[in-house]
Amino acid sequence: TQLLEQSPQFLSIQEGENLTVYCNSSSVFSSLQWYRQEPGEGPVLLVTVVTGGEVKKLKRLTFQFGDARKDSSLHITAAQPGDTGLYLCAGSSGTYKYIFGTGTRLKVLA
Amino acid sequence: DAGVTQSPTHLIKTRGQQVTLRCSPKSGHDTVSWYQQALGQGPQFIFQYYEEEERQRGNFPDRFSGHQFPNYSSELNVNALLLGDSALYLCASSSVSYEQYFGPGTRLTVT
Repeated sequence: TQLLEQSPQFLSIQEGENLTVYCNSSSVFSSLQWYRQEPGEGPVLLVTVVTGGEVKKLKRLTFQFGDARKDSSLHITAAQPGDTGLYLCAGSSGTYKYIFGTGTRLKVLA
Repeated sequence: DAGVTQSPTHLIKTRGQQVTLRCSPKSGHDTVSWYQQALGQGPQFIFQYYEEEERQRGNFPDRFSGHQFPNYSSELNVNALLLGDSALYLCASSSVSYEQYFGPGTRLTVT
């Protein structure tokens, strides 16, 4: 059974701090996506990574796919209250099914 | 350009009843996937529909069934509802890129 574990589960930080969220698995994924979800809404796609070692930047967010395509990280620079939400990673191993991680709930305090 | 839409927004049902949830995909998308998200958890894959056929299924019992229509919209049906079926049901649409776009979800409460 493929599992994606995210850490930390919860994170509360002050505005302006940096943070990193991790997504780890023992399985290899052909692609991995990161989403942010706010209460009462569906997840919103942030990025898709497909190549081992790939790094993608989206403003203050930096996403990295591990060389072995088993893990990924999301780094946020100078966090803002608007970054608050549930961050989810989701991996696909070439089938049409995405496995979601357990989620990291981030709260950025003003 | 409308994104993914789902109806209804909220639903309350009694144990043993049946429910139908609906999803319209983003314009240009031909694939619809359904997910169940329990409180505090990540979404779990139920199944995916493409060309009006179920293409892949997750670990959900046969009480969960679906349908895709020629206009690519989809329905999720759940029979013999259990208390444990209470969750946010999410629909996601995609096309050849496999990037998924989610709707706002339907919150189902089973009492």
